Amino acid sequence: GDSVTQMEGPVTLSEEAFLTINCTYTATGYPSLFWYVQYPGEGLQLLLKATKADDKGSNKGFEATYRKETTSFHLEKGSVQVSDSAVYFCALSSLGQNFVFGPGTRLSVLP
Amino acid sequence: GAVVSQHPSWVICKSGTSVKIECRSLDFQATTMFWYRQFPKQSLMLMATSNEGSKATYEQGVEKDKFLINHASLTLSTLTVTSAHPEDSSFYICSAPPTSGGGKETQYFGPGTRLLVL
Repeated sequence: GDSVTQMEGPVTLSEEAFLTINCTYTATGYPSLFWYVQYPGEGLQLLLKATKADDKGSNKGFEATYRKETTSFHLEKGSVQVSDSAVYFCALSSLGQNFVFGPGTRLSVLP
Repeated sequence: GAVVSQHPSWVICKSGTSVKIECRSLDFQATTMFWYRQFPKQSLMLMATSNEGSKATYEQGVEKDKFLINHASLTLSTLTVTSAHPEDSSFYICSAPPTSGGGKETQYFGPGTRLLVL
């Protein structure tokens, strides 16, 4: 079945550091890919998404590019802030509404 | 943005008791809601799809008699863990796509309910 793999956390960075969180997937067909973020005590929020190969999703300084050849959707941000501290989930959806999530990566940004 | 609430956010119960978890869409209607379960350091796993006015659809390996789902209205779905045991301790999350607008991949997630069975 479909699956998503993320880099193990936690990830601890200093403010203004560069962030990469790796995500790879296996899926039949051509899924849509997502990054969700969960801030402490809150629900999951959609951060960005890409629906086809070579699409780049971006939001709040975060970016991820749908790479079909490497089945990857790595999340990047050039300069992280303390407020970016959260858990980040990579996910895919092959059927429009049924999501498969990665295990999540906890990010801590230190001032 | 749209908000989905869950109640309670935390529950501790004795083994053998039943626990009901509510999922509400606060400012939109949802004919479908999804229930996920998350074990520590693991993925969210889809348990079941809750359908307003009809029976829920359960994923393979999920006991429908243990995890009772009722989608009573367009804004409320409940998950009841019957005769809970320690192995049912987990983080339960619901999500809902709006019935109209937002695109078919739009999902709003609740904050989750942490269940601890002693």
